[in-house]
Amino acid sequence: EAGVAQSPRYKIIEKRQSVAFWCNPISGHATLYWYQQILGQGPKLLIQFQNNGVVDDSQLPKDRFSAERLKGVDSTLKIQPAKLEDSAVYLCASSLGASGGQQETQYFGPGTRLLVL
Amino acid sequence: AQTVTQSQPEMSVQEAETVTLSCTYDTSENNYYLFWYKQPPSRQMILVIRQEAYKQQNATENRFSVNFQKAAKSFSLKISDSQLGDTAMYFCDPGSNYKLTFGKGTLLTVNP
Repeated sequence: EAGVAQSPRYKIIEKRQSVAFWCNPISGHATLYWYQQILGQGPKLLIQFQNNGVVDDSQLPKDRFSAERLKGVDSTLKIQPAKLEDSAVYLCASSLGASGGQQETQYFGPGTRLLVL
Repeated sequence: AQTVTQSQPEMSVQEAETVTLSCTYDTSENNYYLFWYKQPPSRQMILVIRQEAYKQQNATENRFSVNFQKAAKSFSLKISDSQLGDTAMYFCDPGSNYKLTFGKGTLLTVNP
């Protein structure tokens, strides 16, 4: 079974530029998550999708971050314009998303490491 | 709302020895799950072990086992016969409604 795929793996941009990350979850997983992990910290949830609907985006800085999952499968996360403090690893995860049990387990992609100069 | 505390920012252990990572949490949920995730250096986060809170029996996965004390809201991870590949950041995560709550983690180093 293929895991969660993310691209690119690394990205270096200058502040005020735009950047986009892509995630393809495990086939059949209804729930998709984007996390931001700053160096030395645990991941922070940015947004959670259930199929193509947003379940939770309370910690997404909506003035500069946006995310979509138009067909309920893959997803993109965009930052426009980027700030220095956006330097972090952006993790995508997915889960089956049905009612409890093993469906609660999240599977993570390798992450995209972003450096904003 | 859920919170998690991992009181040991860093730990080290000799190869082949046993180590226990501690975790306490707080939750207002009745139905929840508990997870330990591992994040090796520059590699992706993977699930180590999971525990359903409604089960009294402690979960075990090969060399990894948990000590789940529901009343005390404690969920420690024991690693037996530590291996060099166990070197990683370990996160204890209470989860419910398909959400995880990450703490600051414990950096475990296994020394040869």
